[in-house]
Amino acid sequence: QVQLVQSGAEVKKPGASVKVSCKVSGYTLNELSMHWVRQAPGKGVEWMGGLDPEDGEIIYAQKFQGRLTMTEDASADTAYMELSGLRTEDTAVYYCGGFWSGYDGSWIDPWGQGTLVTVSS
Amino acid sequence: EIVLTQSPGSLSLSPGDRATLSCRASQSLSSIYLTWYQQKPGQAPRLLIYGASYRATGIPDRFSGSGSGTDFTLTISRLEPEDFAVYYCQQYGSSPWTFGQGTKVEIK
Repeated sequence: QVQLVQSGAEVKKPGASVKVSCKVSGYTLNELSMHWVRQAPGKGVEWMGGLDPEDGEIIYAQKFQGRLTMTEDASADTAYMELSGLRTEDTAVYYCGGFWSGYDGSWIDPWGQGTLVTVSS
Repeated sequence: EIVLTQSPGSLSLSPGDRATLSCRASQSLSSIYLTWYQQKPGQAPRLLIYGASYRATGIPDRFSGSGSGTDFTLTISRLEPEDFAVYYCQQYGSSPWTFGQGTKVEIK
């Protein structure tokens, strides 16, 4: 059974950076295409980016371009999401998820438990 | 960017009722790229339906998905107490892989 376990909650000041980790167990990271989604308090979910299994490139949502970096440490089966230039509106729960794509559909499953990032002065 | 508009924003129903949730795309989308998730408070989203109509492993058959082009529907045939939650559609046809804003199914 694939499980994703994320790092703990973070509190950051505006302008700082945050790096959230997502450790894979039950599979190797190389077998997954990791994606990241966030959810501001009381709001809907927002896709941020992830690995495109078609070409192995990381794709980012345009709104995060220049601030978002996704990396992987295959030896540790751990993926990372780093967001820089934090603003108060970046306060959200950040989720990692394993993306799958087949002839009959695409989906994210499983998901990590979420990491709350609070940006406050 | 493909915008997904879900309606209604909220639905107030009783256990045993039928729920019909709509997801409309701003441009035509292959059905294999439309997915539905359920989310309960304090939890990560849970995969329900992929490819517009295929139930994920372990999802009860009271959940069904349909649709094509720009109009997609999630139907819950008879609501169970554990089905009261927020439901999101997501498209993977075109980057960014957008979500709808969600439909909250609440107990009447």
